[in-house]
Amino acid sequence: QQPVQSPQAVILREGEDAVINCSSSKALYSVHWYRQKHGEAPVFLMILLKGGEQKGHEKISASFNEKKQQSSLYLTASQLSYSGTYFCGTVERETSGSRLTFGEGTQLTVNP
Amino acid sequence: DSGVTQTPKHLITATGQRVTLRCSPRSGDLSVYWYQQSLDQGLQFLIQYYNGEERAKGNILERFSAQQFPDLHSELNLSSLELGDSALYFCASSVGGGANTGELFFGEGSRLTVL
Repeated sequence: QQPVQSPQAVILREGEDAVINCSSSKALYSVHWYRQKHGEAPVFLMILLKGGEQKGHEKISASFNEKKQQSSLYLTASQLSYSGTYFCGTVERETSGSRLTFGEGTQLTVNP
Repeated sequence: DSGVTQTPKHLITATGQRVTLRCSPRSGDLSVYWYQQSLDQGLQFLIQYYNGEERAKGNILERFSAQQFPDLHSELNLSSLELGDSALYFCASSVGGGANTGELFFGEGSRLTVL
């Protein structure tokens, strides 16, 4: 089951904040966040395993509400380098292997 | 450099043909994943192998097949190619193979163009 991401696109000015949401209709084991710049491979940002746990990566953090199957990615004081497409990936509880299913992505543009 | 190597980087072929994409995982990683990314689309999970065995299967077409060899490299075979198969195919690897897998390391992808 593919997670749903919102918004589809965000345009920011440098220094502004943004929140990207990810939700699933299935019980989740974990949520992963990746960033992909145009023409490049996706790069891992963080993984969340426990309900309500927040993980941080520089000025990028995330939360995971295990009960609601929702995760949010917080980008604080955005930098030009944050531009790219952000994907959340989910691993369902009732799954075989490490089936990591990605959402459609959120395109983030940070302008000077 | 993620340490995951994919070949070829670019491939142009005709409809009806068959191609093989190759992936070498990072040293020490036992899992290999294949994803398909069509133009400006998301990452569609195709299949996962762990230590030579199929571990999870996604929306992989019957015309597609994959395997992981004893040296842990993997190949994705695409046959009877159609125009819609044109896409960027990513391989990723990770240490673990279960639900608690950690970070996936992606290769640079193989761009397939079917004419």
